[in-house]
Amino acid sequence: DAGITQSPRHKVTETGTPVTLRCHQTENHRYMYWYRQDPGHGLRLIHYSYGVKDTDKGEVSDGYSVSRSKTEDFLLTLESATSSQTSVYFCAIRTGTGDTEAFFGQGTRLTVV
Amino acid sequence: KNQVEQSPQSLIILEGKNCTLQCNYTVSPFSNLRWYKQDTGRGPVSLTIMTFSENTKSNGRYTATLDADTKQSSLHITASQLSDSASYICVVSNAGNNRKLIWGLGTSLAVNP
Repeated sequence: DAGITQSPRHKVTETGTPVTLRCHQTENHRYMYWYRQDPGHGLRLIHYSYGVKDTDKGEVSDGYSVSRSKTEDFLLTLESATSSQTSVYFCAIRTGTGDTEAFFGQGTRLTVV
Repeated sequence: KNQVEQSPQSLIILEGKNCTLQCNYTVSPFSNLRWYKQDTGRGPVSLTIMTFSENTKSNGRYTATLDADTKQSSLHITASQLSDSASYICVVSNAGNNRKLIWGLGTSLAVNP
């Protein structure tokens, strides 16, 4: 798993509550990503980071925010969880933006009830 | 529109048999094409990455081919094993747009004894 740890692995939360998912890496890679995976869709990019305090939006960023105060941690926050955010969330790291490998965490299964 | 389409959607084969999965893409400008294996409940794991100049690349019993002219790729699995049961996802990297990864929906492969 290239030293990537996601927490929690599973979470059930109520609509309207804030939720934070954590991605931790041990290999000091610059680029980190948050994706969501849903049936009928390919992985979709939520937000990404290209360094400490440097983040940008992906294609499905509405309702999500991120923070990266340390190289090793990338946090994804659902400001006010909705049922449409029920999904499996994956964190990924890359060593660059070119023809470089992307390594994924184990995923977090989030259910919003 | 940048798209990646995979076929078949699902496939069942007997252990020991070979199979070929297909990927067609319309991504332009093209940077590279990746094949990932995703086991149930786990994150995707990279099998191969091919750039424009590469026609074929192998990783053990997995062999990927790329025809950049027709924008087609295939993943051939030789002498399948039960552990090959997984989803196989084709991903194309866009050379512009910060090297965005465009994901296919995957082919679900079941290898039966």
